[in-house]
Amino acid sequence: EDQVTQSPEALRLQEGESSSLNCSYTVSGLRGLFWYRQDPGKGPEFLFTLYSAGEEKEKERLKATLTKKESFLHITAPKPEDSATYLCAVQADYGGSQGNLIFGKGTKLSVKP
Amino acid sequence: SQTIHQWPATLVQPVGSPLSLECTVEGTSNPNLYWYRQAAGRGLQLLFYSVGIGQISSEVPQNLSASRPQDRQFILSSKKLLLSDSGFYLCAWSYGENQPQHFGDGTRLSIL
Repeated sequence: EDQVTQSPEALRLQEGESSSLNCSYTVSGLRGLFWYRQDPGKGPEFLFTLYSAGEEKEKERLKATLTKKESFLHITAPKPEDSATYLCAVQADYGGSQGNLIFGKGTKLSVKP
Repeated sequence: SQTIHQWPATLVQPVGSPLSLECTVEGTSNPNLYWYRQAAGRGLQLLFYSVGIGQISSEVPQNLSASRPQDRQFILSSKKLLLSDSGFYLCAWSYGENQPQHFGDGTRLSIL
């Protein structure tokens, strides 16, 4: 069964304390892996797409990496405004799936000043 | 630029009442459209997706239905709501397969 597991469920950091969030996946064939940020009461906001192992993407303090079994979202010197739930989703190669995503449950990040 | 609108933002409905949630996309044509439900402590669950007007695919059997009467309009409906239909409903669009999905701000539905 295709599955996406994110860890930890919650992460509390001090401002400036770098860390990483993990997304491990088991799918029959990976078409793409997506990272989103979700603020309370809002819809997910797209951050990155990764398509192949070894690929990396960066945006401000965030850097996403991909291996054949997992992805990491590295947060460098986080600020309180980085506090949010970070969601990982994978698109599997079902052929004709029309882009359907399988989401993890997310990691809730809290950054204290 | 593309924008996606969902309404209402919050809704409180009694059990057994009908439902209609609307989603519209601006700034693009012929998008793929999606309805998701997000329950507390669970990941987003895909309910329906559409690749064109009148074309709807359902991912899970349920009390809900979807329609796409216009290219950029997606509607989620129910004839009789159940308590288990409570949740956060999200609409999303994408350019197609392998492309990221972009979400609206959702509707918080509470069933009493």
